Amino acid sequence: KAGVTQTPRYLIKTRGQQVTLSCSPISGHRSVSWYQQTPGQGLQFLFEYFSETQRNKGNFPGRFSGRQFSNSRSEMNVSTLELGDSALYLCASSLAVAGVEQFFGPGTRLTVL
Amino acid sequence: QKEVEQNSGPLSVPEGAIASLNCTYSDRVSQSFFWYRQYSGKSPELIMSIYSNGDKEDGRFTAQLNKASQYVSLLIRDSQPSDSATYLCAVLRGGYSTLTFGKGTMLLVSP
Repeated sequence: KAGVTQTPRYLIKTRGQQVTLSCSPISGHRSVSWYQQTPGQGLQFLFEYFSETQRNKGNFPGRFSGRQFSNSRSEMNVSTLELGDSALYLCASSLAVAGVEQFFGPGTRLTVL
Repeated sequence: QKEVEQNSGPLSVPEGAIASLNCTYSDRVSQSFFWYRQYSGKSPELIMSIYSNGDKEDGRFTAQLNKASQYVSLLIRDSQPSDSATYLCAVLRGGYSTLTFGKGTMLLVSP
């Protein structure tokens, strides 16, 4: 069974630009969560989608947004990029909504110059 | 108080030894606990999950959970150099799907 896929794997943007990252969960998984990982803050939760609905949102500014499609694929968007948005963005998928194992994709490394 | 705490390390052990990684959490309603391994430049890989008090063994890995003490640990027996990585402890509150991570413990296994 194929794992979680994320595209693109690497991105370089400049301040003020916007970016869209994509995630395809494991086949049959309907929950997709997004996390930001930085050396200073570690892994931090961004948001979680289940059946095209945002179920939870982390403590991030409104510049960070996401959505989920009917095939469970998800995208996240960051507008007006700041230098501090440079990070590894990770997508995780799981079978159900609560309490179960989450499996991570390879991540998208975003560099903001 | 940080929600999930881990010693940042590095924890250095010789090949063949037992590595013991520890994690404490502050939210008493936490119900699901996970250990992820992350190699440098890679994404986290799930290696163990534990939901009830006691020990859970999988190959060379044993996860231990003590909810009364709000403590979860990971033991790696017969440590190998390939086990050198950062180990992340993650916690789920009951009824929620948001993982809260510790900052990880770096493990170094020397040949």
